[in-house]
Amino acid sequence: EADIYQTPRYLVIGTGKKITLECSQTMGHDKMYWYQQDPGMELHLIHYSYGVNSTEKGDLSSESTVSRIRTEHFPLTLESARPSHTSQYLCASSGLGSGNTQYFGPGTRLTVL
Amino acid sequence: EDQVTQSPEALRLQEGESSSLNCSYTVSGLRGLFWYRQDPGKGPEFLFTLYSAGEEKEKERLKATLTKKESFLHITAPKPEDSATYLCAVQIYNTDKLIFGTGTRLQVFP
Repeated sequence: EADIYQTPRYLVIGTGKKITLECSQTMGHDKMYWYQQDPGMELHLIHYSYGVNSTEKGDLSSESTVSRIRTEHFPLTLESARPSHTSQYLCASSGLGSGNTQYFGPGTRLTVL
Repeated sequence: EDQVTQSPEALRLQEGESSSLNCSYTVSGLRGLFWYRQDPGKGPEFLFTLYSAGEEKEKERLKATLTKKESFLHITAPKPEDSATYLCAVQIYNTDKLIFGTGTRLQVFP
């Protein structure tokens, strides 16, 4: 079944640790996105990719980095986590067959102590 | 500046009590307007895309409409399972980026 997956769903980690949030999709989409959402607030785009080896920063400045080595995989990395990174991170994809519609994964709730 | 404003912030309805959610937008050029449903702790679930003023789309108890300045999400005879946060987003012409509103938190009581 075509879907978009994120792991882990929940992560509690100490300050200074390096973390990678995984995002994979089996939708056959070429475009992928990372959004950040704080409770009760709107989603903000932090990274996007239009294809393999293509990555761009979004509208909200973020200390995280992303890579796109395979079409279906778009991981997000924080080299040194801080409490200010505590948030919900949502991955999305779009592409041929979806029109302009972005489809979202279930999200990763990150808490940095 | 491109902007999306949703109202009300929160809405409590009795089961069967119809109502509407509003999404007002100011953008340089609209490529599309999207409605999503988001349950607590989950990612947004796609509902509708509207592309031009006058367009309407329906799905079960939900109906979305679009004018040049705003969109409405009408909920007819809601049920408790319709309780969720409803998000509106606009896509600007010539980009794929979505600009989201803060959402309307809907609670439907039996």
